[in-house]
Amino acid sequence: GAGVSQTPSNKVTEKGKYVELRCDPISGHTALYWYRQSLGQGPEFLIYFQGTGAADDSGLPNDRFFAVRPEGSVSTLKIQRTERGDSAVYLCASSLKGGARSSYNEQFFGPGTRLTVL
Amino acid sequence: AQRVTQPEKLLSVFKGAPVELKCNYSYSGSPELFWYVQYSRQRLQLLLRHISRESIKGFTADLNKGETSFHLKKPFAQEEDSAMYYCALRANEKLTFGTGTRLTIIP
Repeated sequence: GAGVSQTPSNKVTEKGKYVELRCDPISGHTALYWYRQSLGQGPEFLIYFQGTGAADDSGLPNDRFFAVRPEGSVSTLKIQRTERGDSAVYLCASSLKGGARSSYNEQFFGPGTRLTVL
Repeated sequence: AQRVTQPEKLLSVFKGAPVELKCNYSYSGSPELFWYVQYSRQRLQLLLRHISRESIKGFTADLNKGETSFHLKKPFAQEEDSAMYYCALRANEKLTFGTGTRLTIIP
């Protein structure tokens, strides 16, 4: 089956604009994660969904960032009033299920969306 | 809060030589540690996890709680090992990654 997919693969926008980044998880995976990877850094956690609800959004940097997963499958990361510092690769991952006891649940990553804010 | 440190940004090793990629962590609870790898133009993928105590592609990693380390080792490097390697710690479902080490195998 197909892995995690993300669209678009590249997005160039101007400072102050609004962008949406889409993630299609592996079918049947209930847990979905967003990470952000800046140049020269490792991925940084943004938000984690279990089903439709955000179980942990502690990594969102500020209220310009918002994510939804209305039907428990596809997720959209939304960034308002983009700033140059938002430029990064945004990674999505999914796993079969989340939860503190699921020690063996591997997170499968998508190819990422490279966002450039001019 | 948890933290993962990979002290080497770049590491070059001759083919056939041993490889060791260093990883240290800080976490107050019982850690779950992983190594992820990203080959050129491919997505990030899991290489191995400490719970499984497995060897994948000849790589092993042992969790040393006393030294808070989870170093990745391979006795004989191969050219196809050239890639970006990230150490990660999982706590409360989120992964905390190190900054990564770019491993280059010299033919």
